[in-house]
Amino acid sequence: DAKTTQPPSMDCAEGRAANLPCNHSTISGNEYVYWYRQIHSQGPQYIIHGLKNNETNEMASLIITEDRKSSTLILPHATLRDTAVYYCIDRTGANNLFFGTGTRLTVIP
Amino acid sequence: DAGVTQSPTHLIKTRGQQVTLRCSPKSGHDTVSWYQQALGQGPQFIFQYYEEEERQRGNFPDRFSGHQFPNYSSELNVNALLLGDSALYLCASSSGRGKYYGYTFGSGTRLTVV
Repeated sequence: DAKTTQPPSMDCAEGRAANLPCNHSTISGNEYVYWYRQIHSQGPQYIIHGLKNNETNEMASLIITEDRKSSTLILPHATLRDTAVYYCIDRTGANNLFFGTGTRLTVIP
Repeated sequence: DAGVTQSPTHLIKTRGQQVTLRCSPKSGHDTVSWYQQALGQGPQFIFQYYEEEERQRGNFPDRFSGHQFPNYSSELNVNALLLGDSALYLCASSSGRGKYYGYTFGSGTRLTVV
């Protein structure tokens, strides 16, 4: 089962930064945190992952707390196309991803 | 570069029937995982195939079976369909080499059991 907790929904104004929190309080030392998103009627899309350092790519930034018990996904300038369900996943060390119910982000014009 | 391809995109079956769903992984990927996504829920792991063998399995009954072919493509078979099997079935491919590669998902097959 999923071990992460996320708020069920969030709104963000278009052009503003969207900050999506995730608690992964039972994460162990060798488990990465992955973020995926799922736009309506599509499969999940990989966004970013990290172990303990902050990470940035062309899509987003990932901030992981020092104790690794929580993380925040940052979309720096949200657009309407960023409206989706965002999943925070702590890979269990096995070869599958445990999805929770995620956060439904709505970007408002 | 083609991503993950799934077929068919939609399917309607009658309770008790059998269904086969197909998946072609992204070029360069050799591992295929299958997920079931019920309406309003996150995807749930069914099983993963690597080197033509089931490497890991989630909490799904034996009615759910799969196969991986030498070209890395995969099939998901579901026997004795139940109404509760209605869902979006997602295929994800990844590379079995190394660690912590991102998964690439297909757009899924929407199965409706009536």
